[in-house]
Amino acid sequence: NAGVTQTPKFQVLKTGQSMTLQCAQDMNHNSMYWYRQDPGMGLRLIYYSASEGTTDKGEVPNGYNVSRLNKREFSLRLESAAPSQTSVYFCASSADRDRDTDTQYFGPGTRLTVL
Amino acid sequence: QKEVEQNSGPLSVPEGAIASLNCTYSDRGSQSFFWYRQYSGKSPELIMFIYSNGDKEDGRFTAQLNKASQYVSLLIRDSQPSDSATYLCAVRKPAGGGNKLTFGTGTQLKVEL
Repeated sequence: NAGVTQTPKFQVLKTGQSMTLQCAQDMNHNSMYWYRQDPGMGLRLIYYSASEGTTDKGEVPNGYNVSRLNKREFSLRLESAAPSQTSVYFCASSADRDRDTDTQYFGPGTRLTVL
Repeated sequence: QKEVEQNSGPLSVPEGAIASLNCTYSDRGSQSFFWYRQYSGKSPELIMFIYSNGDKEDGRFTAQLNKASQYVSLLIRDSQPSDSATYLCAVRKPAGGGNKLTFGTGTQLKVEL
């Protein structure tokens, strides 16, 4: 049971390049999330998916697109990377069976630098 | 006003002391509250959650919730150097907001020998 996995771990892009960050979970969770974490800003939600085939914007969606490929996989795409997108990106998932106790589990993160 | 506020620290405590980490939130209808620990360069990991007023204990950790004051805290007893990390408070909004969490910016804790 690997939990939440993310690829790649590190990536350097040039301004204008595109890339896709991959996330997969093996916990049969319903919801998946993409966050970015910047110094002093905390974790900010980019997009989330409450179920296969549905996605919704979070707090900072501009410049990103997502795909919920199936129940296990949720990808984040940067179509034209900008230096402002330099950040650490975390994927998370949650079961969504009890609103009081439901917990989000995080992947190891992707460190992205845009030059 | 931020939705979830934490003092960024660093909070320094000597080994063996009690560390007290605080968090306030703005949405009175918030339902449940989570404390995550994040070591430098690592991902957040859940310590505990609380959704009823009062105290909840788990080993050396105690979460305290006061919904009237919109305040949640985490106490770490017998602090160890391995507790040195950033602690993130997260809040689940009222029903209708999905299962999203809103995170504070975190408090850095340093446990000194």
